[in-house]
Amino acid sequence: LAKTTQPISMDSYEGQEVNITCSHNNIATNDYITWYQQFPSQGPRFIIQGYKTKVTNEVASLFIPADRKSSTLSLPRVSLSDTAVYYCLVGGNTGFQKLVFGTGTRLLVSP
Amino acid sequence: NAGVTQTPKFQVLKTGQSMTLQCAQDMNHNSMYWYRQDPGMGLRLIYYSASEGTTDKGEVPNGYNVSRLNKREFSLRLESAAPSQTSVYFCASSAQGSSYNEQFFGPGTRLTVL
Repeated sequence: LAKTTQPISMDSYEGQEVNITCSHNNIATNDYITWYQQFPSQGPRFIIQGYKTKVTNEVASLFIPADRKSSTLSLPRVSLSDTAVYYCLVGGNTGFQKLVFGTGTRLLVSP
Repeated sequence: NAGVTQTPKFQVLKTGQSMTLQCAQDMNHNSMYWYRQDPGMGLRLIYYSASEGTTDKGEVPNGYNVSRLNKREFSLRLESAAPSQTSVYFCASSAQGSSYNEQFFGPGTRLTVL
């Protein structure tokens, strides 16, 4: 699995847009980029996945540049309930792979 | 449809005691996983089962054993608990084992070893 690097923590205020960038310089051709969200005292949950360009769902957007060496998770107009740890993972769609969650990015949203 | 369930939710053990953490999923998933999460840390994979009938070691398997009882159930056993095993344990499952497939997590078991 490709190694990922993301900021340890970020702070924001309610109503702001938050962008969390993940670097994955050695991403392979068949790798997808997946983001998980973990609230305190809960297991992680899948929030978004993409391969290239832009993906949007009801929770977030994922921007992936043409070289795919990085990706940006965008959370529009965050609320206090978006306070969580966000993990970026990169891996392929075939065969068995052991996910490496790392320490993620701890997002704190303040009033 | 309960997803992934884990029992117990909390457990306190004394050093040297044994226990089994239970996990079950009702999504007909092939792959199941056990992770541990220490305070302020990410998840570390203990053991996984890529498919029914198979199990394999993850990143931190020492001190643990697992059993894939059937397609639904995957248990984690601590034979002789140690304080270093104090952690939150998460079970997860996915349709297949590639990272492309979403992993669904249980609510976790908080284990304290005195």
